[in-house]
Amino acid sequence: NAGVMQNPRHLVRRRGQEARLRCSPMKGHSHVYWYRQLPEEGLKFMVYLQKENIIDESGMPKERFSAEFPKEGPSILRIQQVVRGDSAAYFCASSRGGREDEQYFGPGTRLTVT
Amino acid sequence: TQLLEQSPQFLSIQEGENLTVYCNSSSVFSSLQWYRQEPGEGPVLLVTVVTGGEVKKLKRLTFQFGDARKDSSLHITAAQPGDTGLYLCAGARGSGTYKYIFGTGTRLKVLA
Repeated sequence: NAGVMQNPRHLVRRRGQEARLRCSPMKGHSHVYWYRQLPEEGLKFMVYLQKENIIDESGMPKERFSAEFPKEGPSILRIQQVVRGDSAAYFCASSRGGREDEQYFGPGTRLTVT
Repeated sequence: TQLLEQSPQFLSIQEGENLTVYCNSSSVFSSLQWYRQEPGEGPVLLVTVVTGGEVKKLKRLTFQFGDARKDSSLHITAAQPGDTGLYLCAGARGSGTYKYIFGTGTRLKVLA
């Protein structure tokens, strides 16, 4: 009865490197959402994906950030050329359907950029 | 603009006391969720409320959605140290919206 899985749990990158965060949704869920939680701030929506489709990426920074959810395998949030301001906890959530379905969160990936 | 304001931001109480946490907005939400988040972990869904005036109970926790669907409250009876955590409300706006808007949270500490 696995929940949403994210890896790695902790990721340290130097400025300019790439960060790849992975998310496997709950069994039976085909909708994935990524949120970012900055220190002392609330969670902010980044992107909503279904298999092979980006439905809404209105919360994603326009540069350096991308997300995918391939037909096979986990969803990936990719941050290129990381900067210190990217340091945050990144959470993935999944739901069975889309709209108005309850979202269940993973444990998060804590990214530290040095 | 913070659409969901939670109060209080911090709360420290003794075991056995009762408390209420509020989640307020000037906007109408089609549904509202309450989550609890512990340090180093992701938010865990506690409840979803969708109907104005709805009350849901989860053991010692009572959740209420305001009649106008703009606010919600979480009441904990006889708090226990295990209730310690960050309580987050999240609202979905409009029909079929998946973009949860999260409140800033209430950090609760229950002392034994």
